[in-house]
Amino acid sequence: GENVEQHPSTLSVQEGDSAVIKCTYSDSASNYFPWYKQELGKGPQLIIDIRSNVGEKKDQRIAVTLNKTAKHFSLHITETQPEDSAVYFCAAAGDKIIFGKGTRLHILP
Amino acid sequence: KAGVTQTPRYLIKTRGQQVTLSCSPISGHRSVSWYQQTPGQGLQFLFEYFSETQRNKGNFPGRFSGRQFSNSRSEMNVSTLELGDSALYLCASSLVGDRRYEQYFGPGTRLTVT
Repeated sequence: GENVEQHPSTLSVQEGDSAVIKCTYSDSASNYFPWYKQELGKGPQLIIDIRSNVGEKKDQRIAVTLNKTAKHFSLHITETQPEDSAVYFCAAAGDKIIFGKGTRLHILP
Repeated sequence: KAGVTQTPRYLIKTRGQQVTLSCSPISGHRSVSWYQQTPGQGLQFLFEYFSETQRNKGNFPGRFSGRQFSNSRSEMNVSTLELGDSALYLCASSLVGDRRYEQYFGPGTRLTVT
């Protein structure tokens, strides 16, 4: 069946460094790729998304890239800050939406 | 604009009981989806409702059911609770059309089955 693989499952980076999370999807019909951030005790929050007709999108310190040929997309966070510590989920949506299993990001002081 | 609200936030039930969870979407959002979140399985899709009709369903047993009302509010019900149903149940709302999967989540209902 359709699947979204997300790596790594855990990521620790020094404050101020960059963090990259990668996802691979299997359903060729997927055309919308959102990223969510989930803080402790809260529901996931949509932080950035990209559609299949776009290769890259930026919003301040966050960027997402999409390679449709290879069926993978990535989240890039630059100049990481303590408040970036959270679990991040990628998802791929076409006829239905499928989520990756999440990446726990730790920002080290 | 108020976000997605879910009630109750926490619930403790015993095996064999049933439970009903409620979700109020963002004003203007007509699509509501439900997810089960567990540490081992991540976010698992339960079902999606639009215009009071179930539009999509995940791979969960028939003990899991839902409905949507004319004001877009939604409820989900789990009957004959099992220990494995302990999880965070998340509701998400969205607009329709090409923004169908631009989902906004509520804080969730933490269900513990003992």
